[in-house]
Amino acid sequence: GNSVTQMEGPVTLSEEAFLTINCTYTATGYPSLFWYVQYPGEGLQLLLKATKADDKGSNKGFEATYRKETTSFHLEKGSVQVSDSAVYFCALEAPEDMRFGAGTRLTVKP
Amino acid sequence: NAGVTQTPKFQVLKTGQSMTLQCAQDMNHNSMYWYRQDPGMGLRLIYYSASEGTTDKGEVPNGYNVSRLNKREFSLRLESAAPSQTSVYFCASSALTGSYNEQFFGPGTRLTVL
Repeated sequence: GNSVTQMEGPVTLSEEAFLTINCTYTATGYPSLFWYVQYPGEGLQLLLKATKADDKGSNKGFEATYRKETTSFHLEKGSVQVSDSAVYFCALEAPEDMRFGAGTRLTVKP
Repeated sequence: NAGVTQTPKFQVLKTGQSMTLQCAQDMNHNSMYWYRQDPGMGLRLIYYSASEGTTDKGEVPNGYNVSRLNKREFSLRLESAAPSQTSVYFCASSALTGSYNEQFFGPGTRLTVL
């Protein structure tokens, strides 16, 4: 079946540090891949997406590249801010199936 | 444009009680979903509705029922609540954007079953 595995948190960084959150997936066929972000007390919001191999999704300084050969979709940001503190979810969409990873809590300290 | 709204925001039930979680969207989306969020497990799909009049089971449907009342509304019912159903429940709707579905989430309902 389809599944998503992402690195366990929590992750704590200082402002302006480099961020990587690892995500790997298992799927039949060619899923679309997503990163969603959840700020405290809110629902999830789409952060970025990639729909085919080698696509790079980007938004608000975050990037992730769809790597079919390593079945990965790692999230990166060059310089994090306090306002990036949130829980990040990797997700895949296959036909009639949507799977989320367990989530990684990021805390950025000034 | 309120997006996806959910009621109530918080609820405490005793084991065996029943309740219905309400969800509505004003984005004219065809598809709607109910998820539960548990620590360390991410979001798991309970039920979804691809269009008005249809519903399908997701990954964890046991103990739940749903109703797609119309295109806007999708409710989740717990007939006899159990402590294992203590969770945060999210409703979402989606629209096909090119080749993928972008999901829009409500703010969630925090349910505690004693």
